[in-house]
Amino acid sequence: EVQLLESGGGLVQSGGSLRISCAASGFPLRSFAISWVRQAPGKGLEWVSTISPDGTTTYYAKSVKGRFIFSKDNSKSTLYLQMSSLRGEDTAIYYCVKEGYCTSTYCYEGFHIWGHGTTVTVSS
Amino acid sequence: QSLLTQPPSASGSPGQRVTVSCSGSSSNLGKNPITWYQQLPGTAPKLLIYNNNQRPSGVPDRFSASKSGTSASLAISGLQSGDEADYYCASWDDSLNGWAFGGGTKLTVL
Repeated sequence: EVQLLESGGGLVQSGGSLRISCAASGFPLRSFAISWVRQAPGKGLEWVSTISPDGTTTYYAKSVKGRFIFSKDNSKSTLYLQMSSLRGEDTAIYYCVKEGYCTSTYCYEGFHIWGHGTTVTVSS
Repeated sequence: QSLLTQPPSASGSPGQRVTVSCSGSSSNLGKNPITWYQQLPGTAPKLLIYNNNQRPSGVPDRFSASKSGTSASLAISGLQSGDEADYYCASWDDSLNGWAFGGGTKLTVL
């Protein structure tokens, strides 16, 4: 079964740092892009970052660029989001998401499998 | 401000058909496929539509979608109480070089 399990969320002070993790199982991590999507309390979904299947390319939302670093360890099937200079507006549930819905012939763009999320709260 | 624009709310009675619109631009919907997500209360989102109008296995055919130019819509027919959820559209944006989400539409089943 394809699964993504986030961990590492918690309470951190404004300006502080936190690393959240995503353990992937049930699929070859080096074959799929993975993204982080967050949802602030009572708000909509916001894309945060995407890492390419081989881990060599990362994309970031403007709101986190320069503060967040997305990395992966294929040998451990684990992904990491290192967050620094945290702000109140970073408070959210962070979802780890496997991209690519695959049929028998092709993989299409899309956020296919979502984890349950980990909550990050930044206090001032 | 979201790059993709959705109405904040929609509603319908059981059995009715309701549509949710999503409006974008040439850098997202004009070039890239749209995806739709359903988020039931208190749960993680779920992929509802991919490649503009395709349903993943397990998604009932009551859900359909279309895209034309820089606009798209999601239709839900035979509305059920269990369809009450937030619905989001999303597409890759070439200018942003990232994913753009709509602000979400809260569907209420009356």
